Amino acid sequence: GDSVTQMEGPVTLSEEAFLTINCTYTATGYPSLFWYVQYPGEGLQLLLKATKADDKGSNKGFEATYRKETTSFHLEKGSVQVSDSAVYFCALSERADSWGKLQFGAGTQVVVTP
Amino acid sequence: NAGVTQTPKFRILKIGQSMTLQCTQDMNHNYMYWYRQDPGMGLKLIYYSVGAGITDKGEVPNGYNVSRSTTEDFPLRLELAAPSQTSVYFCASRAPGDTGELFFGEGSRLTVL
Repeated sequence: GDSVTQMEGPVTLSEEAFLTINCTYTATGYPSLFWYVQYPGEGLQLLLKATKADDKGSNKGFEATYRKETTSFHLEKGSVQVSDSAVYFCALSERADSWGKLQFGAGTQVVVTP
Repeated sequence: NAGVTQTPKFRILKIGQSMTLQCTQDMNHNYMYWYRQDPGMGLKLIYYSVGAGITDKGEVPNGYNVSRSTTEDFPLRLELAAPSQTSVYFCASRAPGDTGELFFGEGSRLTVL
């Protein structure tokens, strides 16, 4: 079945450092890919998405490119802030699944220190 | 606009007790979902619904039941609570045709002792 694998955390960074969170997936069809973010004490919210190969999703300085050849969707940000401290989830949704169910990775906690 | 509202936020249950987690959304979304989040395990889908009167099992449905009598409400029922059901539960919704954006509630932290 479909699955999403993310790098384990926690990832601890200093402010203004470069952030990369690796995400790879296994899917039978042509999935849409997502990054969700969960700030402390809150529910998840969509950060960015890409629906086909070579698409780049971007939001709030974060970027991720849908790489079909490597089945990856790595999240990057050039200069993190303390407010980026959160748990980041990579997820996929099979386009053939009209019910839009998402398969999530285990999440990666990011801690940014001043 | 409240979005997705879950109650209660916290609850402690004894083994064998039952309870209902409430979920309401005011966005007129047809699709609703219940996930549980365990440490280091990501989110697992328990049940989902594609409209009033239509529900189906997700990945981990055992020990839970749902109903969907209205578009707005999607309660999750725990029968005979067990320690393995200690988790954080998230309700989410989305509109049909929108590629993937789920709107989540703030979560309900349940502890079974």
